[in-house]
Amino acid sequence: GAGVSQSPRYKVAKRGQDVALRCDPISGHVSLFWYQQALGQGPEFLTYFQNEAQLDKSGLPSDRFFAERPEGSVSTLKIQRTQQEDSAVYLCASSVRLAGEYEQYFGPGTRLTVT
Amino acid sequence: EDQVTQSPEALRLQEGESSSLNCSYTVSGLRGLFWYRQDPGKGPEFLFTLYSAGEEKEKERLKATLTKKESFLHITAPKPEDSATYLCAVSYSGTYKYIFGTGTRLKVLA
Repeated sequence: GAGVSQSPRYKVAKRGQDVALRCDPISGHVSLFWYQQALGQGPEFLTYFQNEAQLDKSGLPSDRFFAERPEGSVSTLKIQRTQQEDSAVYLCASSVRLAGEYEQYFGPGTRLTVT
Repeated sequence: EDQVTQSPEALRLQEGESSSLNCSYTVSGLRGLFWYRQDPGKGPEFLFTLYSAGEEKEKERLKATLTKKESFLHITAPKPEDSATYLCAVSYSGTYKYIFGTGTRLKVLA
C-alpha cells in the first residue's frame, strides 16, 4: 500500500518568503507528526495531530511556524518569513493509533534551503 | 531533563564483524522505545518497538534488547547493505512527543 508522501521534495526559498509543505499520511492513520531534522542530527519534534486536532505544538520554533490538518488527513506545515536557520529537512510521520505506543511511518521529507 | 543518547556516533565494521549500538535514555514512564534505520536522503524506516525491560526482538541480522536504562541493537555478521544511520526514539508518559537520539552512522566494508 501507499506510504507517507510529502511534497515538494526540495524547496529553495529566499529569505523572507513564505513556504508551505504538504504531507499525505497513510490512509486511516489517526496520528500525524511533523519533525525538523538538521544535518547529522536526529529528528526533532515540532507538532502532533490526532485526527484534525492539534494536541501539541510545543516544538514549533517560533510563531512563524504554523501547521494544520483540517479534515484529519492531509497536513500542511507553513513557515512565514523564512530565515536561514529554517534550512533543514522537514519530516512528516503518521501512526495508526494514538501517540505513545505505536511506531511511526515516515515520509521522505522536504529539504528546505533558505538563501 | 528527558534525553536520549546514542553511542558510538559512528562505527566502521568489516563485513561479518558483529557489534552493538547503544541507546540510553533518561525519561520517566517509558511507553515505548523504537529503532529506525535511515538511509541518506530518505525518511527513517521503522525496525522495532520494545515496551518493557527484558524484551527482545529480532529481524534478519538485527536484534534489539531493552533494559530499564538502555537499549542495544546487535548486528550479527553485517553486510555492506546494512550501512545506514540507526536512530532510536522513546515515547513516555505525559507527552505526545517522541524524542530521538542523534543516531549511529554505521559503515560496513566489503
